[in-house]
Amino acid sequence: GQNIDQPTEMTATEGAIVQINCTYQTSGFNGLFWYQQHAGEAPTFLSYNVLDGLEEKGRFSSFLSRSKGYSYLLLKELQMKDSASYLCAPMDSNYQLIWGAGTKLIIKP
Amino acid sequence: DGGITQSPKYLFRKEGQNVTLSCEQNLNHDAMYWYRQDPGQGLRLIYYSQIVNDFQKGDIAEGYSVSREKKESFPLTVTSAQKNPTAFYLCASSGLEGSAGYTFGSGTRLTVV
Repeated sequence: GQNIDQPTEMTATEGAIVQINCTYQTSGFNGLFWYQQHAGEAPTFLSYNVLDGLEEKGRFSSFLSRSKGYSYLLLKELQMKDSASYLCAPMDSNYQLIWGAGTKLIIKP
Repeated sequence: DGGITQSPKYLFRKEGQNVTLSCEQNLNHDAMYWYRQDPGQGLRLIYYSQIVNDFQKGDIAEGYSVSREKKESFPLTVTSAQKNPTAFYLCASSGLEGSAGYTFGSGTRLTVV
């Protein structure tokens, strides 16, 4: 079957660094996406990894290991506006995104 | 600017009534999707369509219906057969290979009163 595993909730301090881990199992693989979703809003695209390694984009970086079925999202210099849910979504062989429940990140001053 | 528009943003429905949620995109995307999201939960796929006049059931299609008469439009009808329709509904679109990910509309919050 297809499965996504992420922590349900994490707490971090403003200005710090946090790493959100994701393990996945899919039928085929066409890359992995990370989305950010603020409460009551639609998800917005953060990053896409299709090859192993690290992709950096400003304060956000995403890592992928295809052989381990593992990805992480690294957020640096945390700001209060980063309080949101972070969704790990691998793409299966039919080019469909598979969604887990996401990780709710709480930032404290 | 290209984008995907959902309307209305908030919708109230009486029990026993059908209601239709609108989703329009001008991104020239082939694929369109409808998701339901309940509080604290992930996205669950209701229906998707990869081409005009064709659509497929997702994981929770019971009590819902869709049509895809035009590439730009993918309306969702929540029928009276859906026993617990109160939720946040999200429409998304993508190119067929999806390598750019999905673009989401702003969502419709449906409440049964």
